Amino acid sequence: EVQLVESGGGLVKPGGSLRLSCAASGFTFSSYTMNWVRQAPGKGLEWVSSISGSSSYIYYADSVKGRFTISRDNAKNSLYLQMNSLRAEDTAVYYCARDPVGSTRTYYFDYWGQGTLVTVSS
Amino acid sequence: DIVMTQSPDSLAVSLGERATINCKSSQSVLYSSNNKNYLTWYQQKPGQPPKLLIYWASTRESGVPDRFSGTGSGTDFTLTISSLQAEDVAVYYCQQYYSSPSTFGPGTKVDIK
Repeated sequence: EVQLVESGGGLVKPGGSLRLSCAASGFTFSSYTMNWVRQAPGKGLEWVSSISGSSSYIYYADSVKGRFTISRDNAKNSLYLQMNSLRAEDTAVYYCARDPVGSTRTYYFDYWGQGTLVTVSS
Repeated sequence: DIVMTQSPDSLAVSLGERATINCKSSQSVLYSSNNKNYLTWYQQKPGQPPKLLIYWASTRESGVPDRFSGTGSGTDFTLTISSLQAEDVAVYYCQQYYSSPSTFGPGTKVDIK
């Protein structure tokens, strides 16, 4: 059974940093492009970042480029999102999501974690 | 970026009746080389992550009831729930993955009348 479990969310002050993790199980993690997708409270979905199986292809939404860094450790079946210079508008539930098509670009998402809430507030 | 719009914002349908949700993209998401529409539908229930329903505009994900169907091509798409069940109360989102960044529609809330 595919499982994605996020952790690392919490309350942080504007300008602060946070590192999210996603532990994957039930599939060959290194074979899949992985993504972070966020959802502000009561709002819609926003794709944040993606990383290919070998980490060769990495993409970011313009809203987080230069502040967030996605990475993965295939030996640990884990995905990460380092978030720096956080702003109030980054407040959201952050989901880890698997792309079943993979390759060099983002397609769609067939499995999602339960999400971890990041709140940026003074 | 491709802008996705959905209509209506919300709808209430009687149990057993048909629910229809529309999604429109600001430019075509049909890739001519493979004749595929790069369009997906998700269902999100309160307090849960989104669930994949339909991909490539009309391919139902494994395990999704056949009362859910996706149609359309180019810029105009429709998600139809042929006979609404109580468990279908949710927000439904479309997503395009034709070009980066992948973008989502604002969502359509479906309730029971």
